[in-house]
Amino acid sequence: NAGVTQTPKFQVLKTGQSMTLQCAQDMNHEYMSWYRQDPGMGLRLIHYSVGAGITDQGEVPNGYNVSRSTTEDFPLRLLSAAPSQTSVYFCASSYSRTGGANGYTFGSGTRLTVV
Amino acid sequence: AQSVTQLDSQVPVFEEAPVELRCNYSSSVSVYLFWYVQYPNQGLQLLLKYLSGSTLVESINGFEAEFNKSQTSFHLRKPSVHISDTAEYFCAVRGGTSYGKLTFGQGTILTVHP
Repeated sequence: NAGVTQTPKFQVLKTGQSMTLQCAQDMNHEYMSWYRQDPGMGLRLIHYSVGAGITDQGEVPNGYNVSRSTTEDFPLRLLSAAPSQTSVYFCASSYSRTGGANGYTFGSGTRLTVV
Repeated sequence: AQSVTQLDSQVPVFEEAPVELRCNYSSSVSVYLFWYVQYPNQGLQLLLKYLSGSTLVESINGFEAEFNKSQTSFHLRKPSVHISDTAEYFCAVRGGTSYGKLTFGQGTILTVHP
């Protein structure tokens, strides 16, 4: 089924470790983004991309890196994990390129715990 | 920058009762408004959206929301809730010029009791 696929679904890291959260979509969406969800804070934008080779920072980018080498993939890298990065991470995509409004398609999330 | 305020963090109701989940947003020249629903341990699903035209929008499962520009609100309502409506609901806004970037509210947990 077409959609946004996130891996892994669960991950436990030790402080200081690095890892990459994977996100792939097969809908030829130009726009992709990463959010983190924390209780009582809604979803906060980490990084986003408007197309292959183009990325930009969102609201809470510190401690995270992204790249967009293909339209399909948008991995999120944690450089040196900290307990404050314990969260649920969602990847989302949209076909919107010209600014026309639409909803996003969300992945099922990655639950990350940093100990 | 856009901001969204969901006025209630938790809303408990009994089955078959009406419910309103409140959402206010910061003003902008033009906005697109969305409600998403998140069932336990799942991702977010689009419930309904306002892009233009009629200010009252409806979902397939009986929810509706009304865009009120003068009050900068987009409240979500359902006349009679079911146990299966128990979920967290997020209001989101996208300004007309903020390409692709949705700003989310803090979420409202709706709990429907039998």
